[in-house]
Amino acid sequence: KAGVTQTPRYLIKTRGQQVTLSCSPISGHRSVSWYQQTPGQGLQFLFEYFSETQRNKGNFPGRFSGRQFSNSRSEMNVSTLELGDSALYLCASSSTGSNTEAFFGQGTRLTVV
Amino acid sequence: AQSVAQPEDQVNVAEGNPLTVKCTYSVSGNPYLFWYVQYPNRGLQFLLKYITGDNLVKGSYGFEAEFNKSQTSFHLKKPSALVSDSALYFCAVRGVGSGNTGKLIFGQGTTLQVKP
Repeated sequence: KAGVTQTPRYLIKTRGQQVTLSCSPISGHRSVSWYQQTPGQGLQFLFEYFSETQRNKGNFPGRFSGRQFSNSRSEMNVSTLELGDSALYLCASSSTGSNTEAFFGQGTRLTVV
Repeated sequence: AQSVAQPEDQVNVAEGNPLTVKCTYSVSGNPYLFWYVQYPNRGLQFLLKYITGDNLVKGSYGFEAEFNKSQTSFHLKKPSALVSDSALYFCAVRGVGSGNTGKLIFGQGTTLQVKP
């Protein structure tokens, strides 16, 4: 079974630009979550999608948005990039149920210059 | 508020010795607890979880964790450490209640250094 796939692996963007990151979950998984990882703040929850609906959102500004498609693939978008948005963005997928583990992709390393 | 604490930024052990990485949590109700490991420039790999039942849970790569409800702890253990176990370890709890569905709350991470 293929794992969670995130593309691209690395990105360099300029302040003010926007970026779209993609995540393909494990086949059959309908829940996709996104996390931001930085040295200072650690792992922070961005949002979670289930069956194309955002179920939960973390404490991030509106510049961070996402969506999920009917095949469960998900994208997240960051507009008007700031230097502080430089981070590793991780996507995780899981099957239904709170007791199930989440499986993470390798992440997209975003550098804003 | 729901939270996870990993009190040690770094744990150093010699190869072959037992290791413990500590985790305490705060959550209302019954917790769903997880351990993940992260190698440099990689995503998180699932090690094990506690949902219910036996307080000692076994996971991947010889790791196990002990759930202690009275101490609200979920420490990760391994009887004999390997150099290849050197990595960053995260404890997490699944959020409960409205607004927390699907959310993992992570500790700040503990770097495990195993020396030959």
